[in-house]
Amino acid sequence: EAGVAQSPRYKIIEKRQSVAFWCNPISGHATLYWYQQILGQGPKLLIQFQNNGVVDDSQLPKDRFSAERLKGVDSTLKIQPAKLEDSAVYLCASSFGGEEAEAFFGQGTRLTVV
Amino acid sequence: AQSVTQLGSHVSVSEGALVLLRCNYSSSVPPYLFWYVQYPNQGLQLLLKYTSAATLVKGINGFEAEFKKSETSFHLTKPSAHMSDAAEYFCAVRMGGRRALTFGSGTRLQVQP
Repeated sequence: EAGVAQSPRYKIIEKRQSVAFWCNPISGHATLYWYQQILGQGPKLLIQFQNNGVVDDSQLPKDRFSAERLKGVDSTLKIQPAKLEDSAVYLCASSFGGEEAEAFFGQGTRLTVV
Repeated sequence: AQSVTQLGSHVSVSEGALVLLRCNYSSSVPPYLFWYVQYPNQGLQLLLKYTSAATLVKGINGFEAEFKKSETSFHLTKPSAHMSDAAEYFCAVRMGGRRALTFGSGTRLQVQP
């Protein structure tokens, strides 16, 4: 079974530039998450989708971050403009969506803002 | 609000020694609890999960965890550490429904030869 795919693996940009990350979840998983993991910390939820609808985006900095999940499958996360403090690993995860269901994680995209 | 506290950001053990990684949660409803492991430059991999079926949960790679409601704890243990166990370990909680996992700050396990 194919896992959660993310691209790119690494990205270096200058502050005030824009960047986009892509995620392809496990086939059949209705729920998709984007987490931000700053070095030395645990993952923090940015946004949660159920199919193509947003369930929770309360911690998404909406002035600069946006995300979409077209057709309830792939998802993109965008940052515009980037700040130095956005340097982190961005993890995409998916699950069946039940309350007992674990989340399956991709390898993440490491973003460095200089 | 839900939260998870992992005591000890770094734990060092000798190869063959007992591994004990601590996790406490705060919850107003019965939680679902998870332990994940993260190797360098990798995503998170599920070790085990508690879903109320049994308080002692066995996971992969010889790890297990015991849910103790009275202590609001879900500590992770392994009887004998192996060099390959060196990684970052995260405890996570879901309060039910469709909510996402909330993660602790992680514990880095170092295994000395």
